[in-house]
Amino acid sequence: EPEVTQTPSHQVTQMGQEVILRCVPISNHLYFYWYRQILGQKVEFLVSFYNNEISEKSEIFDDQFSVERPDGSNFTLKIRSTKLEDSAMYFCASSESGSTYNEQFFGPGTRLTVL
Amino acid sequence: AQKVTQAQTEISVVEKEDVTLDCVYETRDTTYYLFWYKQPPSGELVFLIRRNSFDEQNEISGRYSWNFQKSTSSFNFTITASQVVDSAVYFCALSERASGTYKYIFGTGTRLKVLA
Repeated sequence: EPEVTQTPSHQVTQMGQEVILRCVPISNHLYFYWYRQILGQKVEFLVSFYNNEISEKSEIFDDQFSVERPDGSNFTLKIRSTKLEDSAMYFCASSESGSTYNEQFFGPGTRLTVL
Repeated sequence: AQKVTQAQTEISVVEKEDVTLDCVYETRDTTYYLFWYKQPPSGELVFLIRRNSFDEQNEISGRYSWNFQKSTSSFNFTITASQVVDSAVYFCALSERASGTYKYIFGTGTRLKVLA
């Protein structure tokens, strides 16, 4: 069964460094998402992406964040200058269409630790 | 704004007991989906169920069952004869219309501890 994959599974970085989290969505999916979960808290929507542009972003998704689909398979989340509070689990998801009838499939997550 | 409330922060039960996890939601949408996910200590989100707002039939899958009541905006999840492997954090979620697509609104989760 097709699945969303994410690399790395765990990333440790120093405050102020740039990080890129990578996701490979399911191949025929057109909509892509990032969600974040700070340890012990709920999962929160960050951004949705379609047709090479951001569809919607939350207030969390400030200028430090950017997303890109650099090629036909990868979907990346970049944090330009990491802060301690960026430490969280980041989940990528994809869906076949933007309709609510099409389920979003989540990847296994990347745990980001900022020291 | 759409909202999902899981009032139970943590529940502890002894193995083989039944347990119900509550979920109450608020939405303006007439068509929406509700979800339950399990998050084991390893951290991934394990999909359990997706429910359409037009389908109020209860669903049973093995030891799991779900009770959807639109009149009370609730979508509760029951585990029958709980097992230690059921220990995890369980999240209820609601689809919310976003620009051109949908996003998921998650509750704060209920940590279930099943003791041997």
